[in-house]
Amino acid sequence: AQKVTQAQTEISVVEKEDVTLDCVYETRDTTYYLFWYKQPPSGELVFLIRRNSFDEQNEISGRYSWNFQKSTSSFNFTITASQVVDSAVYFCALSEDFDNAGKSTFGDGTTLTVKP
Amino acid sequence: GAGVSQSPSNKVTEKGKDVELRCDPISGHTALYWYRQSLGQGLEFLIYFQGNSAPDKSGLPSDRFSAERTGGSVSTLTIQRTQQEDSAVYLCASSLELRGTEAFFGQGTRLTVV
Repeated sequence: AQKVTQAQTEISVVEKEDVTLDCVYETRDTTYYLFWYKQPPSGELVFLIRRNSFDEQNEISGRYSWNFQKSTSSFNFTITASQVVDSAVYFCALSEDFDNAGKSTFGDGTTLTVKP
Repeated sequence: GAGVSQSPSNKVTEKGKDVELRCDPISGHTALYWYRQSLGQGLEFLIYFQGNSAPDKSGLPSDRFSAERTGGSVSTLTIQRTQQEDSAVYLCASSLELRGTEAFFGQGTRLTVV
């Protein structure tokens, strides 16, 4: 069975600090997808990134970066120079169904609060 | 429309009543998903539709839950004989296809069973 653990329930930082959100996953499959989504107070989930299990290359997108390490089954998300607008709930998700990435198991989320 | 639209945005119902939640996916998206998000928790997969294929209902929690998708577009999630534990935000998402493509989520329907 697949499982996603986001051990940090809540994180609070001051603007401009860097923050890393942890995600650890469990799966028996060798082919899978990993995702990060952002859920701002408005409630609508926003897709941030998708990674397949064959691609361990880390990715940077502006202030966002992701570190995928299969050896530790982790897919951590770092926000550099955080801003108040980054305040949201962030979800990590795993899909073992390589042909149906939308059928995912989500972690319980990490609530990030960025204070001015 | 530009995004996934869900209605109503909020629904309060009495225990035992039936409710219908509606999802209008992004035009042209063949895949449609329903998720449930209970307070303070992650998303729980309920069901997905892909084109004309039989839906994957493996996530539906009980036979009180059902969903249909008419004409490959609009979907309705029906909960019969609602219970208090059904209270949650029900999220709909759509994507162009199943394999690895980005899913776009609606803002959800907040269901409260009193």
